[in-house]
Amino acid sequence: DQQVKQNSPSLSVQEGRISILNCDYTNSMFDYFLWYKKYPAEGPTFLISISSIKDKNEDGRFTVFLNKSAKHLSLHIVPSQPGDSAVYFCAASDTGNQFYFGTGTSLTVIP
Amino acid sequence: DAGITQSPRHKVTETGTPVTLRCHQTENHRYMYWYRQDPGHGLRLIHYSYGVKDTDKGEVSDGYSVSRSKTEDFLLTLESATSSQTSVYFCAISDLEGLNEQYFGPGTRLTVT
Repeated sequence: DQQVKQNSPSLSVQEGRISILNCDYTNSMFDYFLWYKKYPAEGPTFLISISSIKDKNEDGRFTVFLNKSAKHLSLHIVPSQPGDSAVYFCAASDTGNQFYFGTGTSLTVIP
Repeated sequence: DAGITQSPRHKVTETGTPVTLRCHQTENHRYMYWYRQDPGHGLRLIHYSYGVKDTDKGEVSDGYSVSRSKTEDFLLTLESATSSQTSVYFCAISDLEGLNEQYFGPGTRLTVT
């Protein structure tokens, strides 16, 4: 069973607008969450994280929101840029040693 | 970028043959991981290591073994490759125990025919 789900395989957004990528999880013990960005033929690169003691974390154009009661997190990118076009994975952990990844959302930012 | 290399980068092999993938790091990080990425599944953890000679299974460990005899090297072995092991394999490292991001290598594309 997929414990971390990204239900939107793809998303297209106009340059300058907001991109919102969503992630749901089923394990209530998860308490640390990360977002990774992946370009074709490269490994994923870390983008931003959030722990369960917070409901929001910002880093420049990237903000992650966590709603523990809904077991939902989202990544907001604003303003979106063409270079943001990539596949985005969310990941969650309860122990810190094993992370469970979602299936990814392919973001396309249209110039 | 974290110093992580994977070799080979591409490999085609036949069913039933043994295959070893190598992950090499220059960061002296304690934790190393092997993942596979497949369409519809995202990245799934195969095995990980929390120190030299210390390894543990991930969620999809069947058919795979690992070894870590030095801090910098983490080997993934498919004793007898099957077509279901056709995938892209990523190695990752992290430095501290627990809640830290992982740094990924460039990946190895393995095709089992």
